Order: sequence, then C-alpha cells, then structure tokens
Amino acid sequence: EIVMTQSPATLSVSPGERATLSCRASQSISSNLAWYQQKPGQAPRLLIYGASTRATGIPARFSGSGSGTEFTLTISSLQSEDFAVYYCQQSHNWLLITFGQGTRLEIK
Amino acid sequence: EVQLVQSRAEVKKPGESLKISCKGSEYSFTNYYIGWVRQMPGKGLEWMGIIYPGDSDTRYSPAFQGQVTLSADKSINTAYLQWSSLRASDTAMYYCARLRAQGDFDYWGQGTLVTVSS
Repeated sequence: EIVMTQSPATLSVSPGERATLSCRASQSISSNLAWYQQKPGQAPRLLIYGASTRATGIPARFSGSGSGTEFTLTISSLQSEDFAVYYCQQSHNWLLITFGQGTRLEIK
Repeated sequence: EVQLVQSRAEVKKPGESLKISCKGSEYSFTNYYIGWVRQMPGKGLEWMGIIYPGDSDTRYSPAFQGQVTLSADKSINTAYLQWSSLRASDTAMYYCARLRAQGDFDYWGQGTLVTVSS
C-alpha cells in the first residue's frame, strides 16, 4: 500500500497570505496525484489532478507541483472561502487508491 | 451537468443489512468507474473500492474486502454499496464519486449518512 502523509496537520494562515500544504508518498507515484478541498457538511471537491492541472472552474490562486514522492498545494492569496480541509490522493495504483490524512487550513 | 445522487440517510441496528445507492445522470454511466469513500465522524477519507458499471468489474480496498459488497445496475444508472450485517463501527458518511482515467474523482455524490446504533 502506498502511504500518503500530509503536513502539517493544521495550518493557520491570515487571509490574503500564501498557504503551502505538503503531501509525501511512501514510494514514487510519478504525477498520479490529486488534491481535494472539503468544507464542513460538504462532499470533497476536486482541485488539482495530475499533480499540477487545475480542475474545471478552480481559481488560478490554487496551484499544484511536484512529482515522484513530494508534492505541494499552494494557495497564493487566501480568501475566506478557502479555509477548509485539504486531502491528497494517489492513483498510481488503481487497485489500492489511498488518501492522505488531511490538512486543516484555519484562519489565523 | 453530471450528477451523482445518493440515497437518503439511514438509521439501523447492529446486525441489520443495508444497501445504499448512487444514481448517475448526464454522462455515460457505463464508461466510468464509480468509487465509494468512507468518512467516519471527524475523520479523513478512506477509499473502499471501485466498480465499473459496464461489466461490473470490482476492486476492493483490502480494509473493506469481505465487509461490504459493491454492485451496479447499468439499466438504471445506479451503483450500490451494501452490508449484510452492520456494526456500530460502520457509522459514517459514505460518498460515491466518479473515477476518471486520470485517476481522480471529479464528481461526487452528496453523501449518505449511515448510523448504526442499538
């Protein structure tokens, strides 16, 4: 099983500032990584796929980077609606898809 | 617009059986895998398995193999997740989602809350 480890568990950032979230895979997954945003009481929403491609309708302030085992989600200028929980997910092995444990992005 | 609509919340007793559903619309239902994801109260996302409605090819997470059954009825564009004997530990929100060839879940159902309590 490919283990996905996200850090930090909680990130406190002020509106307008940049947020950087990390995700590490226990083995190389090439660029087979997606990022999701989940707000309380809502289903997850796809933000980034293929490690760096924004999904349809996702604002340009969201960007993804990385390959192999190290990945980053950057939100360039935090808006109030961006405070949520973020998950990474690997699909390198379709027989065993795994999610990271999540990073909670909270208002500082 | 693509939609996945899940069945309503359920309250069950331990030992009871349950089948929840996920109906897809506005896309070719038989051409995409449907995945199921569990989210226990206050916890993260856990992948349970996927099913391809076109031929019912099914893959389970080892953590859920033997604990649940995935099925699909392509004639009515509906996927199912079922338990034969519920436990209190099955209490969670369950999401279905469409799996793309890129390996991500691009559309999600609204979730079905399952509560198992005596």
